[in-house]
Amino acid sequence: AQKVTQAQTEISVVEKEDVTLDCVYETRDTTYYLFWYKQPPSGELVFLIRRNSFDEQNEISGRYSWNFQKSTSSFNFTITASQVVDSAVYFCALSEANRDDKIIFGKGTRLHILP
Amino acid sequence: EPEVTQTPSHQVTQMGQEVILRCVPISNHLYFYWYRQILGQKVEFLVSFYNNEISEKSEIFDDQFSVERPDGSNFTLKIRSTKLEDSAMYFCASSGQDMNTEAFFGQGTRLTVV
Repeated sequence: AQKVTQAQTEISVVEKEDVTLDCVYETRDTTYYLFWYKQPPSGELVFLIRRNSFDEQNEISGRYSWNFQKSTSSFNFTITASQVVDSAVYFCALSEANRDDKIIFGKGTRLHILP
Repeated sequence: EPEVTQTPSHQVTQMGQEVILRCVPISNHLYFYWYRQILGQKVEFLVSFYNNEISEKSEIFDDQFSVERPDGSNFTLKIRSTKLEDSAMYFCASSGQDMNTEAFFGQGTRLTVV
């Protein structure tokens, strides 16, 4: 069965600090996709990244970076030099096989960036 | 950039009433989905739809729910007799023609049942 665990319910950091959001997943499939979404206070889901299970290369996009470790079934997300606009709920998610059917979301981590 | 559009953005309805949430997926997409997010909770899968039929549904998607693609562009979620616990944000999503394409989410419809 699929499962996504985001152990951190809520995190607060001061602006400009780095912050890492943890994500641990469970799946029996060898082929799967991992995602991160951002949900700002306005409520929409903003797609951040999709990573397939065969690509363990870490990715950096501006201040965002992702660390995929298959050995520990983790897909952690780091924001460098955080800004107030990064305040949101962040969801890690998983889908199995080669189609984005039935994305399973974690419970989310609410991130507060304090000025 | 193409996007998934949902209307209305916010709907208030009385308990027991029927409600239809509307979505216009990205035009060349073939796979369609509805997800639900109760306030403060995680996003939950409701149903997926492909080739004019439901391909998978969750246990949440009971007989009160139905989906339809009435024409070539709209994808609707109907709740037959709303309950207070149906109050949530409902997200529509669509994904493309090939496998290995990501799902794009709409901005959501906030349903409030009073």
